[in-house]
Amino acid sequence: DQQVKQNSPSLSVQEGRISILNCDYTNSMFDYFLWYKKYPAEGPTFLISISSIKDKNEDGRFTVFLNKSAKHLSLHIVPSQPGDSAVYFCAASASRSGNTGKLIFGQGTTLQVKP
Amino acid sequence: DGGITQSPKYLFRKEGQNVTLSCEQNLNHDAMYWYRQDPGQGLRLIYYSQIVNDFQKGDIAEGYSVSREKKESFPLTVTSAQKNPTAFYLCASSSLRTGTNTEAFFGQGTRLTVV
Repeated sequence: DQQVKQNSPSLSVQEGRISILNCDYTNSMFDYFLWYKKYPAEGPTFLISISSIKDKNEDGRFTVFLNKSAKHLSLHIVPSQPGDSAVYFCAASASRSGNTGKLIFGQGTTLQVKP
Repeated sequence: DGGITQSPKYLFRKEGQNVTLSCEQNLNHDAMYWYRQDPGQGLRLIYYSQIVNDFQKGDIAEGYSVSREKKESFPLTVTSAQKNPTAFYLCASSSLRTGTNTEAFFGQGTRLTVV
């Protein structure tokens, strides 16, 4: 039972264009969502997060959008740079239900930004 | 510098042997986690601990054991009962204090190979 799904295993975009990574979830108890970036043989690095009380959070080139009714979130990277090439994981938690910081991860999307 | 340290980075084990992976954090985080990553899959939770001397099973705890004798340390033992131990293991920690975000910080990982 995959509670967090990233249906696109890979995405390729041209440098300078927008990258859009998508994530769907099924558990309505999730109230906090995060995106992590991961390079091979390294640990994931936290990128950006959003609470369920918001529908948008922006940090520099990165913006996360949350559509609670659709149980969908997306990460926008504008403009995309070759250094953004990595695996991106979506994660969710149900912190207010007492599940603390336990995260449920999606399968990941490999982003390739071509120069 | 504050962070999470996993050791060793690479580990080889013979079939039938137990092996322990180390994880230490100096972030003063209450919660610690162990995840496993297999090729083409997301991170799956093995065990987590919210407080010293207490821990809970995650989604794939069979064949693993943990201890939490100190706040800073959360070692993971991969036992001979784990049928497919070859994987990339990631340790993480997070704050549980009210009003703080619950993003988890990850170590650099340990690549375990059974030979």
